[in-house]
Amino acid sequence: QLQLQESGPGLVKPSETLSLTCTVSGDSISSSSDYWGWIRQPPGKGLEWIGSIYYSGSTYYNPSLNSRVTISVDTSKNQFSLKLSSVTAADTAVYYCARRTGIAAGDRFDYWGQGTLVTVSS
Amino acid sequence: DIQMTQSPSSLSASVGDRVTMTCRASQSISNYLNWYQQKPGKAPKVLIYAASSLQSGVPSRFSGSGSGTEFTLTISSLQPEDFATYYCQQTYSSPRTFGQGTKVEIK
Repeated sequence: QLQLQESGPGLVKPSETLSLTCTVSGDSISSSSDYWGWIRQPPGKGLEWIGSIYYSGSTYYNPSLNSRVTISVDTSKNQFSLKLSSVTAADTAVYYCARRTGIAAGDRFDYWGQGTLVTVSS
Repeated sequence: DIQMTQSPSSLSASVGDRVTMTCRASQSISNYLNWYQQKPGKAPKVLIYAASSLQSGVPSRFSGSGSGTEFTLTISSLQPEDFATYYCQQTYSSPRTFGQGTKVEIK
């Protein structure tokens, strides 16, 4: 059974960089044709896709965050990571990592981590 | 960006009711549409992909339809565990965007 687990600081100061890691178990990141992604949800609000990465390192990001986002992968640890720079209170959210499977119209996030709340505050 | 608009934003229903909710895209997305269910404090769970394909393990009371710009999620007989918020998501183009959600509450 595939499992994803987010980890990282729950509190980040304004203007600093938010860093989260997603550890994947039950499958190898580099053995599948799937992408791995990050999605966030501000408290009481809807979902926002942040970006996705393939095990080869190929990435694509939401343009609204593009200049601040970096997603990387470490296949030796079966992990992928998110860095979001110059954070403000608007970046306070529950951050989810997820597996993106399927092609064409079958593209969907089918396995998710439980989510981790990151609060931006001094 | 493709805007996804869900209606209604909330609805009240009773166990056993047939429930329908709608998702509209700001431009045609063919059948590149997913539906997710989210319960409080939990991660979303995919129910329907490619507008009408049922995700493995999801009860058959959930069904999806539509193409182009208008899509529907139907729950044929609402169960107690179905009270949740439902989101649509388009995967036609990047950035992937979600609707604002429809919250299904107990009547």
